[in-house]
Amino acid sequence: AQSVTQLDSQVPVFEEAPVELRCNYSSSVSVYLFWYVQYPNQGLQLLLKYLSGSTLVESINGFEAEFNKSQTSFHLRKPSVHISDTAEYFCAVSDRGSEKLVFGKGTKLTVNP
Amino acid sequence: DTGVSQNPRHKITKRGQNVTFRCDPISEHNRLYWYRQTLGQGPEFLTYFQNEAQLEKSRLLSDRFSAERPKGSFSTLEIQRTEQGDSAMYLCASSSDVWASYGYTFGSGTRLTVV
Repeated sequence: AQSVTQLDSQVPVFEEAPVELRCNYSSSVSVYLFWYVQYPNQGLQLLLKYLSGSTLVESINGFEAEFNKSQTSFHLRKPSVHISDTAEYFCAVSDRGSEKLVFGKGTKLTVNP
Repeated sequence: DTGVSQNPRHKITKRGQNVTFRCDPISEHNRLYWYRQTLGQGPEFLTYFQNEAQLEKSRLLSDRFSAERPKGSFSTLEIQRTEQGDSAMYLCASSSDVWASYGYTFGSGTRLTVV
């Protein structure tokens, strides 16, 4: 069965520092990979996705994630975080041919001044 | 279009009572999904509709749970004989046929507390 492991439940960082949120998945088939973000008191929003092609994908607000098939990972990175990036981040995987997403437990990113 | 709307936002009920939640998806989306999120966990898939057809149900969806999407527009999720373990955030999402390209659009959820 599919599973997603987000290794860090909480990540505190200072503003303008780099950050990496880790995500590993288990699946025996080809997958789609996603990162969703949940700001306080809001619904989940799609941050970025890997469907095929280039293994490095980027969001409009400076986040990027790299699909590594051999390590079954899809880590999320940002070179310089802002206080407004404080949120909970969820990694999710879907088998190709399925519309069901399997989510990790989430990582709470807190950016301190 | 104001996105995916879920009502009510909060529901407190006594154990054993029935509750019903409503989800209004984005109007042009033909796919609708229900997920459940408990404290400290990520969302877990419950069920999914394409138009009015319920195409997949999770084993999490016990006999006490039923979901409908009668005209392929809004959806309801009913829980009968609620138990304390049903306390969770119930999330609805919708998408178009190109769901992977654009991802789901989630609502803000309905938080259920069973006392």
